[in-house]
Amino acid sequence: NAGVMQNPRHLVRRRGQEARLRCSPMKGHSHVYWYRQLPEEGLKFMVYLQKENIIDESGMPKERFSAEFPKEGPSILRIQQVVRGDSAAYFCASSPTGKVGGYTFGSGTRLTVV
Amino acid sequence: AQSVTQLDSQVPVFEEAPVELRCNYSSSVSVYLFWYVQYPNQGLQLLLKYLSGSTLVESINGFEAEFNKSQTSFHLRKPSVHISDTAEYFCAVSEESGAGSYQLTFGKGTKLSVIP
Repeated sequence: NAGVMQNPRHLVRRRGQEARLRCSPMKGHSHVYWYRQLPEEGLKFMVYLQKENIIDESGMPKERFSAEFPKEGPSILRIQQVVRGDSAAYFCASSPTGKVGGYTFGSGTRLTVV
Repeated sequence: AQSVTQLDSQVPVFEEAPVELRCNYSSSVSVYLFWYVQYPNQGLQLLLKYLSGSTLVESINGFEAEFNKSQTSFHLRKPSVHISDTAEYFCAVSEESGAGSYQLTFGKGTKLSVIP
C-alpha cells in the first residue's frame, strides 16, 4: 500500500505564475488535510477536505489560494499569482475517517518562488 | 484557541546520553497530543500520541512522553539516544474545530543533534 504521494517534490515558479500541488491520499482514505511549513516555523493548518467537499478552510489565505478534492483523482492545492512569501513546504495528510490520530503525511512539495 | 510551545529550538546531546524535549500546550477543552519527527527533506512521521487512557505513551524506538494535565505539558524523553535520532521533532495538539475538523496545531519544532 503506497503512502501519501505528493508531486512534484520541488517546484520553482516565477512571481505571478500559478502553482499547482497534487496530493494522492493512501488507498481507502477519503479525507485530506493541507499544511504549510514556512522557514523557521512549524506547520500551519490550511484546509480540510473530503471527497468533493471543503469541510474547513479556516487556515487558507483569503486570496489566491484554493483547494479541491474531486471524486476522481488527487487533491489539488492551487496558488495563483505566486509571491516570494509563498515559498514554503506544503504537506498533505490523509485519513480514512477524518478523526483524530489517523493522519499519514506525505513527503511534501517544496515551492520556491523566484 | 490552542497553542503549542516548544521551549528549545535546538538540543545537542552526546550519543547514548538521555534527552528531554519540552512541550507545553494551551487549550480550553480536552486535547489530543502528538509528537512527530521530521528527517531532512522528508515528511512528518508520527512518533507517538496521547488520545486517552494511560498518561505515559511509548514509541517502538525507545521514546516516551507523559501527558501532565496540571502542568499542561507533554515532554518527550529517551534514556539513550543514537546518531539516527538526529532530526527535528514537532509537538502538536488537536481538538475538534466544530466544523468536524481535527486539525493539528504544531509547535515550532526542536532540532535534536546527536554528537558522536
